[in-house]
Amino acid sequence: NAGVTQTPKFRVLKTGQSMTLLCAQDMNHEYMYWYRQDPGMGLRLIHYSVGEGTTAKGEVPDGYNVSRLKKQNFLLGLESAAPSQTSVYFCASTHSYEQYFGPGTRLTVT
Amino acid sequence: GENVEQHPSTLSVQEGDSAVIKCTYSDSASNYFPWYKQELGKRPQLIIDIRSNVGEKKDQRIAVTLNKTAKHFSLHITETQPEDSAVYFCALLRDTGRRALTFGSGTRLQVQP
Repeated sequence: NAGVTQTPKFRVLKTGQSMTLLCAQDMNHEYMYWYRQDPGMGLRLIHYSVGEGTTAKGEVPDGYNVSRLKKQNFLLGLESAAPSQTSVYFCASTHSYEQYFGPGTRLTVT
Repeated sequence: GENVEQHPSTLSVQEGDSAVIKCTYSDSASNYFPWYKQELGKRPQLIIDIRSNVGEKKDQRIAVTLNKTAKHFSLHITETQPEDSAVYFCALLRDTGRRALTFGSGTRLQVQP
């Protein structure tokens, strides 16, 4: 039982490049989330999903897209990376209230 | 949207002393209040949580109190140890439909040995 995993752990992008972050959970959770964490700040919600095939915008969705084609996976895409997207990205999942977090992806955009 | 204010932003205590971190919120519909501990370079880890129908909850050296009338909740750590040093985040959940958390800005706790 791996819980919540994220791929990759680290990535450096140049401005304008694209990439996809993968989140996977093996707990059969319906709800999945993508947060970003900037220095000295709490986590902010980017997008979320309440079930397979559904996605919705969070607080800071601009510049990101998501997909939930399979219940266990939640993908976060950056179509054209910007330096302002330099951050640590955390995925989380839940079936009730307690959220289980992945280990994070540290993304740097130069 | 929801707003959570967390204080203090930094807290330094001597080993064995108590530490208290407080969060205030504005939305009276919030009904779930977790606290997370985050060590450097690690993921947030839930340490204690409380539902809106409970005023206090304790787990060994940590406790959380909730005052729904005043709209604030607090984390209490007693007999602090150096391994308690970390960043602590409060959070709340309002919208049970999406079950997404709103986080405070964090408190960096330093326990001096």
